[in-house]
Amino acid sequence: DAKTTQPNSMESNEEEPVHLPCNHSTISGTDYIHWYRQLPSQGPEYVIHGLTSNVNNRMASLAIAEDRKSSTLILHRATLRDAAVYYCILRDSNDYKLSFGAGTTVTVRA
Amino acid sequence: DAGVTQSPTHLIKTRGQQVTLRCSPKSGHDTVSWYQQALGQGPQFIFQYYEEEERQRGNFPDRFSGHQFPNYSSELNVNALLLGDSALYLCASSPGPQAYNEQFFGPGTRLTVL
Repeated sequence: DAKTTQPNSMESNEEEPVHLPCNHSTISGTDYIHWYRQLPSQGPEYVIHGLTSNVNNRMASLAIAEDRKSSTLILHRATLRDAAVYYCILRDSNDYKLSFGAGTTVTVRA
Repeated sequence: DAGVTQSPTHLIKTRGQQVTLRCSPKSGHDTVSWYQQALGQGPQFIFQYYEEEERQRGNFPDRFSGHQFPNYSSELNVNALLLGDSALYLCASSPGPQAYNEQFFGPGTRLTVL
């Protein structure tokens, strides 16, 4: 499985943007970049995914480096509800599973 | 529209026993995956079912087995329980097994093995 590297933790203030980095230097051309998050006492929740181009949805934006060896999940205005563990996952087009690492624990200060 | 549902919510078993966990996928989804999440760790993939067949399996022993029914619901069975099987068991469904499909997770079943 292709590996990802994320910081263990990040802190943010409420209503400020949060930029979550993910390094994936061994990414292959057929790997999708997925982001999931897990709020306390809940199952993981899909956030966003992309292949080559930057992606936006109602929850977040995903910025993918031109060489695809890194990406950044952007939460535009953090709320207390965004406090969670965020997982960056590479998923090959022929791979059915999600391979979760340790993720980044995001703390949001009021 | 109900999301992914799992039963039971909590379960306590003793070593050597067998357990069956159940999952109903989100409406319109035909693919079910199971994950094990130990305390403080990320979920680990157990296996995925599509068209009533196991399509992919993670690094789990044969004590872990599953089944998918014609209505797409699924069961996870664990035999000869060990203390180390204590974990949160998560079920996820998707509209097909393809990598570009997002997976929707249920709230999980908390299994405690004494």
